[in-house]
Amino acid sequence: DQQVKQNSPSLSVQEGRISILNCDYTNSMFDYFLWYKKYPAEGPTFLISISSIKDKNEDGRFTVFLNKSAKHLSLHIVPSQPGDSAVYFCAASARFSGGSNYKLTFGKGTLLTVNP
Amino acid sequence: DVKVTQSSRYLVKRTGEKVFLECVQDMDHENMFWYRQDPGLGLRLIYFSYDVKMKEKGDIPEGYSVSREKKERFSLILESASTNQTSMYLCASSVVGQGLTEQYFGPGTRLTVT
Repeated sequence: DQQVKQNSPSLSVQEGRISILNCDYTNSMFDYFLWYKKYPAEGPTFLISISSIKDKNEDGRFTVFLNKSAKHLSLHIVPSQPGDSAVYFCAASARFSGGSNYKLTFGKGTLLTVNP
Repeated sequence: DVKVTQSSRYLVKRTGEKVFLECVQDMDHENMFWYRQDPGLGLRLIYFSYDVKMKEKGDIPEGYSVSREKKERFSLILESASTNQTSMYLCASSVVGQGLTEQYFGPGTRLTVT
């Protein structure tokens, strides 16, 4: 049962244009959402996050939008740069087995390619 | 800068061998995690530790065990390696927080079991 879904395995955009990466989730108990970026042969690095009580969070060229009623979030990158080419993982945070610790559930990832 | 290091970048082992993957973090984080990453499957949590000697099973613990004897070190053990455990293994650490706890990842160990 996949609780966090990234339905597009890949996305290709031109440099300078907007990149929109999408993520859907099924568990209403998720209370935070995060985006990670991963280059080949490196570990994922944190990019941006949003609390479930917000609908938008912006950090420079990166903006995450959350639509709770649709259980959908998206990451916008404007303008896109060739260095943004990487795999992007959507992750959702929920309490671990009903305790006080939290764990992340990751989507399968979307490979973004930004062409010069 | 937070640093999470993993003992090997690449490892080749034979079926049936006992395999140890080591992870060390230098930020005094309480939480440590082991994931595996496979094409088309994303990152899946194997085990999680929230304190020394404390552990919780993740989503795919079968065939794995873990050890956390010191706060900074978290080991993943494959008791008897099998070919379906060929994968990229990622270690992460984080502070204890109220949900929004950024996890810091190591560079990964690509394990091949032949």
